[in-house]
Amino acid sequence: DTGVSQDPRHKITKRGQNVTFRCDPISEHNRLYWYRQTLGQGPEFLTYFQNEAQLEKSRLLSDRFSAERPKGSFSTLEIQRTEQGDSAMYLCASSLNWATAFGSGTRLTVV
Amino acid sequence: DQQVKQNSPSLSVQEGRISILNCDYTNSMFDYFLWYKKYPAEGPTFLISISSIKDKNEDGRFTVFLNKSAKHLSLHIVPSQPGDSAVYFCAASARRANTGNQFYFGTGTSLTVIP
Repeated sequence: DTGVSQDPRHKITKRGQNVTFRCDPISEHNRLYWYRQTLGQGPEFLTYFQNEAQLEKSRLLSDRFSAERPKGSFSTLEIQRTEQGDSAMYLCASSLNWATAFGSGTRLTVV
Repeated sequence: DQQVKQNSPSLSVQEGRISILNCDYTNSMFDYFLWYKKYPAEGPTFLISISSIKDKNEDGRFTVFLNKSAKHLSLHIVPSQPGDSAVYFCAASARRANTGNQFYFGTGTSLTVIP
């Protein structure tokens, strides 16, 4: 394992459907983050886990979004009742201390 | 409110010359700064960082300068190479404020190095 892995790379879904993304961080990294990036913008913070505990959530994370990291390893991000405005690149990152590595992202398109 | 700003959306430089990418921030609590490089269809890749206790950090062809009084940092790439063509993001965090290490990103500068 040489990096942060995200699955799937691309997801096209119809408005109103639920989607779930997975992130596998670098194995020794205890911190895990989800970011969202839209066209022409930098990544925006969504939420942060230290081990299995979700310690911080952005106001961008509406109640349709839920993230879990049940065993302190991989994480999932679920979006319920998707809306067209949810179309974005969803990036996962992991870190140990201050070295943060990003995955390649999951590009979500809501049609 | 954009706390980290990159006011130049694009920059073109001749191969072998210096590339200077700029970044401004507004939050005086930021004490750790990073530059990331992003190729299309990939996630951001860490390039270089600087702590607020320093004003310069160098790594090979890449140097980051921090001017705390002006709340400004810049990335210098010398000499620029065609493989440096990518989008560069500036990011900042407030480590002492104990907010995890959430990073605030700028909107990016697309660098094109012309052979």
